[in-house]
Amino acid sequence: AQSVTQLGSHVSVSEGALVLLRCNYSSSVPPYLFWYVQYPNQGLQLLLKYTTGATLVKGINGFEAEFKKSETSFHLTKPSAHMSDAAEYFCAVSEDSGGYNKLIFGAGTRLAVHP
Amino acid sequence: DTAVSQTPKYLVTQMGNDKSIKCEQNLGHDTMYWYKQDSKKFLKIMFSYNNKELIINETVPNRFSPKSPDKAHLNLHINSLELGDSAVYFCASSQGSGSSYEQYFGPGTRLTVT
Repeated sequence: AQSVTQLGSHVSVSEGALVLLRCNYSSSVPPYLFWYVQYPNQGLQLLLKYTTGATLVKGINGFEAEFKKSETSFHLTKPSAHMSDAAEYFCAVSEDSGGYNKLIFGAGTRLAVHP
Repeated sequence: DTAVSQTPKYLVTQMGNDKSIKCEQNLGHDTMYWYKQDSKKFLKIMFSYNNKELIINETVPNRFSPKSPDKAHLNLHINSLELGDSAVYFCASSQGSGSSYEQYFGPGTRLTVT
């Protein structure tokens, strides 16, 4: 079974600083990987996804993630944090279940951005 | 125009009651899902439907019964509610059931059982 580990349940950065949220996955097949963001009292919004091809994936709101097969990682970065980036971030891997897809989520990382 | 909508947004009820949550998507997607997010924010899939057919049924108590009257709707009925059912329930949809398709989530329904 596939799994996702997000290192650091809480990350705090200053406004304008680099954001780095870590995600490692376990998969026996080439993975499909996703990052979602959840703002308070809202649903999940897709930031970006990796399926095949280019290993550096650009998403919305200035975020990007790099797929590194050798490290089984898919870390999320943003060069300069904004106050509006404060939210919960979830990394997920898509697992094949009898030919159908289900998302396996990490435990989430809460990002706090302070002035 | 809301892509995936859920009603109600909040649901407070007593133990032993039966309740339903409704979900609708206007994206024209074939596949819909129910996820449960517990108090620690952990998300886990419960069910998935493809073209009204149940395709994923995780280890969920049989008090939970999903129903898909058509491709655009997926409802969740819960019988004999228990304290442990308190959580946020998210509906999601995707264009297809394959692994590369991203899922679009609704705003969630916060269920509180007292």
